[in-house]
Amino acid sequence: AQRVTQPEKLLSVFKGAPVELKCNYSYSGSPELFWYVQYSRQRLQLLLRHISRESIKGFTADLNKGETSFHLKKPFAQEEDSAMYYCALSWGATNKLIFGTGTLLAVQP
Amino acid sequence: GAGVSQSPRYKVAKRGQDVALRCDPISGHVSLFWYQQALGQGPEFLTYFQNEAQLDKSGLPSDRFFAERPEGSVSTLKIQRTQQEDSAVYLCASSLVTGQSTDTQYFGPGTRLTVL
Repeated sequence: AQRVTQPEKLLSVFKGAPVELKCNYSYSGSPELFWYVQYSRQRLQLLLRHISRESIKGFTADLNKGETSFHLKKPFAQEEDSAMYYCALSWGATNKLIFGTGTLLAVQP
Repeated sequence: GAGVSQSPRYKVAKRGQDVALRCDPISGHVSLFWYQQALGQGPEFLTYFQNEAQLDKSGLPSDRFFAERPEGSVSTLKIQRTQQEDSAVYLCASSLVTGQSTDTQYFGPGTRLTVL
């Protein structure tokens, strides 16, 4: 069955420290993976998708099919990065999303 | 332009009551999704519409849940005889086209349903 796992509920780092939010998935085909972010009092929004191979707000994520992982990384965390981050897998003809349980990133000053 | 809107933003219902949640997608968006997000969990898929056609309702948890999009724009999610386990945030998302994983889903602010 398709599944997305985010092992950390909370990740607390200091400003300027590197960040890595972990995401593992199980999927039998070629996955389409995404990171969504929800800032305080804002709606859920797309941060980046693996197919674009882009960097958004300094974040990158590399799909590792061997390890079935799609970890989100940023070399230097900023306070404004504090938010809830969800890893998601797109599945089926309808492109519905399967989400992980989310990781709350708290960047301390 | 305006994004996806949902109403009401908050709904409190007594157990056994029926509720109706509304979603206004971005104008012109073909695809519309409903998700349910329980406390401390990620969103979970409920149902999908392509225009007015409900093509996937595999995520609806019981026959008390019903969704419609009669004119291919506004959608309503109806929950009959609400139970406490229905308490959650209900999210609506729309996307421009259909069946393409490169298409972005835009989410509404959600409706927080509390069943007492």
